[in-house]
Amino acid sequence: DSGVTQTPKHLITATGQRVTLRCSPRSGDLSVYWYQQSLDQGLQFLIQYYNGEERAKGNILERFSAQQFPDLHSELNLSSLELGDSALYFCASSVGTSGRYDNEQFFGPGTRLTVL
Amino acid sequence: DQQVKQNSPSLSVQEGRISILNCDYTNSMFDYFLWYKKYPAEGPTFLISISSIKDKNEDGRFTVFLNKSAKHLSLHIVPSQPGDSAVYFCAASARGGSNYKLTFGKGTLLTVNP
Repeated sequence: DSGVTQTPKHLITATGQRVTLRCSPRSGDLSVYWYQQSLDQGLQFLIQYYNGEERAKGNILERFSAQQFPDLHSELNLSSLELGDSALYFCASSVGTSGRYDNEQFFGPGTRLTVL
Repeated sequence: DQQVKQNSPSLSVQEGRISILNCDYTNSMFDYFLWYKKYPAEGPTFLISISSIKDKNEDGRFTVFLNKSAKHLSLHIVPSQPGDSAVYFCAASARGGSNYKLTFGKGTLLTVNP
């Protein structure tokens, strides 16, 4: 158990809909990262938040957005869903930019999104 | 353009033998490398890492070797055990900035046969 929790575990929805994925980082971790894993693809970095502020953006679509709240949990919002958005979405956390283990990100179990 | 490549989608090894998983990268700004292990229906689990100032890091049965000139790293597992059967991801980051996003390879499925 990494200490990172993600809800829900599974999500099935229709094209055009909007969903919210939730992540709670490990206790004490300030950084939260979101990754997408599609079929036959490695993990693609989407976005990072550090202590409530956006720190880095990767291959995140404009239809997707995220935020990190004062209690450090994070939400990933996916809107106008398309079939191709079906994937595993992982959240990871790390201590932060000043910690020794910054690069060692701890992953949650993921949310499997199926768009029908 | 894939900056981290794991060219072997799968590898099969006998229990007790050595498993060698390979990873190549193209971005010369990468200076920290990690290996993650992933079981089905679970998130990736951190295994071992290496900084670019080193060429070898060892942790129990796991050793990571880094060849900066060749932009190549490898993970050695000795001896391999059936419980090591999983997908192994190589990841890299460039720590020059204030973010630590990881760039992952597509993974290698390791099967250790009893």
